[in-house]
Amino acid sequence: DTGVSQDPRHKITKRGQNVTFRCDPISEHNRLYWYRQTLGQGPEFLTYFQNEAQLEKSRLLSDRFSAERPKGSFSTLEIQRTEQGDSAMYLCASSPRSGGPNTGELFFGEGSRLTVL
Amino acid sequence: TQLLEQSPQFLSIQEGENLTVYCNSSSVFSSLQWYRQEPGEGPVLLVTVVTGGEVKKLKRLTFQFGDARKDSSLHITAAQPGDTGLYLCAEGLQSDTSYGKLTFGQGTILTVHP
Repeated sequence: DTGVSQDPRHKITKRGQNVTFRCDPISEHNRLYWYRQTLGQGPEFLTYFQNEAQLEKSRLLSDRFSAERPKGSFSTLEIQRTEQGDSAMYLCASSPRSGGPNTGELFFGEGSRLTVL
Repeated sequence: TQLLEQSPQFLSIQEGENLTVYCNSSSVFSSLQWYRQEPGEGPVLLVTVVTGGEVKKLKRLTFQFGDARKDSSLHITAAQPGDTGLYLCAEGLQSDTSYGKLTFGQGTILTVHP
């Protein structure tokens, strides 16, 4: 399968614990995005990378959140000291290079659902 | 920040019926994408519209982009249970630096009963 893959699909944790999600994008895509989706809402942009560089972070991304893409391939999203309000689906997406077909179109993974008790 | 309003929020219909869902904004869209999302899955892109007045068809789905590029609609003909899902519209920027950073509407939850 050559789509975007995310791991784990589901994570249940206690408040105050740290969690980490991994995303493997489509291999030829240079851009990688993280979105968060709560129940009954559309996804909200969190951050994105072009290769290994993190180019933009939303103000939704508090200092407890950190994202990395160390070699320009897979990415991780870590949440420290989780709170109940962090419960959501965390979606990763990738996008091909600008200028070609599908510019700006996102290919989403299946998401990682986080439940903070 | 652009706010996208989708309507209706919920739609429950019988198999074979036609339906239309809407996406509106007070500002002009750079481009508009429609996605479909099934429960527990990520959104899947259906179509991108860029030009005012544009109409695109994808089998039983017809997408229209308003002439003023401030609204869009998705019409489904003869709905099937497999069409059940969350339909999301999203504005995408066309600039080289910000493409892929999308602003989504809250979605329309469609349920098609057999």
